[in-house]
Amino acid sequence: EAQVTQNPRYLITVTGKKLTVTCSQNMNHEYMSWYRQDPGLGLRQIYYSMNVEVTDKGDVPEGYKVSRKEKRNFPLILESPSPNQTSLYFCASSFRDETSYGYTFGSGTRLTVV
Amino acid sequence: AQSVAQPEDQVNVAEGNPLTVKCTYSVSGNPYLFWYVQYPNRGLQFLLKYITGDNLVKGSYGFEAEFNKSQTSFHLKKPSALVSDSALYFCAVRAGNTRKLIWGLGTSLAVNP
Repeated sequence: EAQVTQNPRYLITVTGKKLTVTCSQNMNHEYMSWYRQDPGLGLRQIYYSMNVEVTDKGDVPEGYKVSRKEKRNFPLILESPSPNQTSLYFCASSFRDETSYGYTFGSGTRLTVV
Repeated sequence: AQSVAQPEDQVNVAEGNPLTVKCTYSVSGNPYLFWYVQYPNRGLQFLLKYITGDNLVKGSYGFEAEFNKSQTSFHLKKPSALVSDSALYFCAVRAGNTRKLIWGLGTSLAVNP
């Protein structure tokens, strides 16, 4: 089954403790992206990647890091999480870019930072 | 400024009735328009897109959307709503000649039995 897999689904952590949210897709998609979803603010792009070793900032990149060492994986790293990063996070992938083809989204990771 | 608006935070409709979820946009160039749906506790799912061609676009789950260039709108429609259509719906548009999307804030659709 074609899918984007995120882990974990739920995570509670403490301020300052580094964490990684993993994302993997099995569709050989070139484009991958991370979004956060917050009430009243909708979806905001954090980082995206056009292909292996090519990443760029989205609209709200502060406090986040990403890497794209392999085509299928696009982990999101929070080096020192803070409470304002409490949110619902989605990884998504697309064949070429986000405007020509539809996205496939993961099921989301609900992160709480206390 | 380029933008997309979903003017209704919530839409309520009775099961079996037609539904419309509204989307208007303001972008330069030819718009690429998308609708996505988010069911409770799930990721977003692609419903349909308009890039060029027929103004009426058919998508998944019986949904369709009508592109209206003069009104800069791309409303999502379904002739007969189901309770299972209750979800959050997002409209998105390509920002000008870029490869970036601008997302609406979402419209919560509630279909009452």
